[in-house]
Amino acid sequence: DVKVTQSSRYLVKRTGEKVFLECVQDMDHENMFWYRQDPGLGLRLIYFSYDVKMKEKGDIPEGYSVSREKKERFSLILESASTNQTSMYLCASSLTGDGYTFGSGTRLTVV
Amino acid sequence: AQSVTQPDIHITVSEGASLELRCNYSYGATPYLFWYVQSPGQGLQLLLKYFSGDTLVQGIKGFEAEFKRSQSSFNLRKPSVHWSDAAEYFCAVGAKGGKLIFGQGTELSVKP
Repeated sequence: DVKVTQSSRYLVKRTGEKVFLECVQDMDHENMFWYRQDPGLGLRLIYFSYDVKMKEKGDIPEGYSVSREKKERFSLILESASTNQTSMYLCASSLTGDGYTFGSGTRLTVV
Repeated sequence: AQSVTQPDIHITVSEGASLELRCNYSYGATPYLFWYVQSPGQGLQLLLKYFSGDTLVQGIKGFEAEFKRSQSSFNLRKPSVHWSDAAEYFCAVGAKGGKLIFGQGTELSVKP
């Protein structure tokens, strides 16, 4: 089974900090995705990547950036964390044309 | 534009009763369709998927879904619900470039 691992389950950061959320998949999937999930708003796509060093903006990229230096790793970066970025962050990977495999999520609290 | 609608935000069923969760999609071509389940505080787990062929798809945990092109629907069913099925359920359609478009989710509660 494909495994998608998110480095932290829970994270508490201060306003203004630079925050790194890491995601690693072990099955050579070319596509990787970052979503945030908030009550009543469902899953919203932040960024995605089709290949190493490639990235595409999703629906809500403002305040975020990403890095994909290796195929298996896709990092989400909050340049200057704000309280409105408190959320559940979900990473996923896939082969093109197939469904996603999700990680367990990182619940980020910005104080 | 592609979209997915799950009309029911919250459903409560009794343990042992049957379940049907509704999903309607809007997509021009033949859709790839998925159902995911999310337990509290967890990521999403794939229950089943439809790409082509038999319109009745079997998944894990005793779930099945039926693709009805004429109704643009992909409803999820289970004949007898267990307390452990309480979770949030998401329907999704495959879009261009390998992305999935998700519905808003349906929260399932199970009464003892």
